[in-house]
Amino acid sequence: QQPVQSPQAVILREGEDAVINCSSSKALYSVHWYRQKHGEAPVFLMILLKGGEQKGHDKISASFNEKKQQSSLYLTASQLSYSGTYFCGTENNYGQNFVFGPGTRLSVLP
Amino acid sequence: DVKVTQSSRYLVKRTGEKVFLECVQDMDHENMFWYRQDPGLGLRLIYFSYDVKMKEKGDIPEGYSVSREKKERFSLILESASTNQTSMYLCASSFGAGTSLNNEQFFGPGTRLTVL
Repeated sequence: QQPVQSPQAVILREGEDAVINCSSSKALYSVHWYRQKHGEAPVFLMILLKGGEQKGHDKISASFNEKKQQSSLYLTASQLSYSGTYFCGTENNYGQNFVFGPGTRLSVLP
Repeated sequence: DVKVTQSSRYLVKRTGEKVFLECVQDMDHENMFWYRQDPGLGLRLIYFSYDVKMKEKGDIPEGYSVSREKKERFSLILESASTNQTSMYLCASSFGAGTSLNNEQFFGPGTRLTVL
């Protein structure tokens, strides 16, 4: 079952912060985050495993709350290069059935 | 530099034609995937393969088949193309023994297929 992402789209000014949420109706083993810039292939950002860890990638970090079956991606002091569509991908408790969410379109304006 | 390549960036076919989309990876990855991407629906898994000659259905396999005769190559076949198969098709690969999908996926540039 496809995870739900919110918001569907967000517009920011350079330097502002954003949060993108990903939630599932099923128990999760892992959550993946990818970014796709316009006209390009999706690129991996990070994987979070069961255990509630938080990870960071430059000024982009994420948390995973397995109890709530959700993950959040935090973009701090956004840059123009952060623009794109962000996808979460979720994997169920058995390490299979990997499913991407519908995506969140992020636009960072100067 | 890791690489996943797809045979065409753009393809235009007629309804009823047989269509082959080819994907090649040079990373010696066990897992390979075919997705279709449509606005508002994200990336939907059509088929994946975790080894040569092995294949598993994804979420939307109807109207598609796949072939994996060599580890580096994964083909998507539309036996009889229809207009509702007009879409962007993305191939990906990842490292992983068995059926483990819990690893970073590397994507190809995509093939935009239009079926008239």
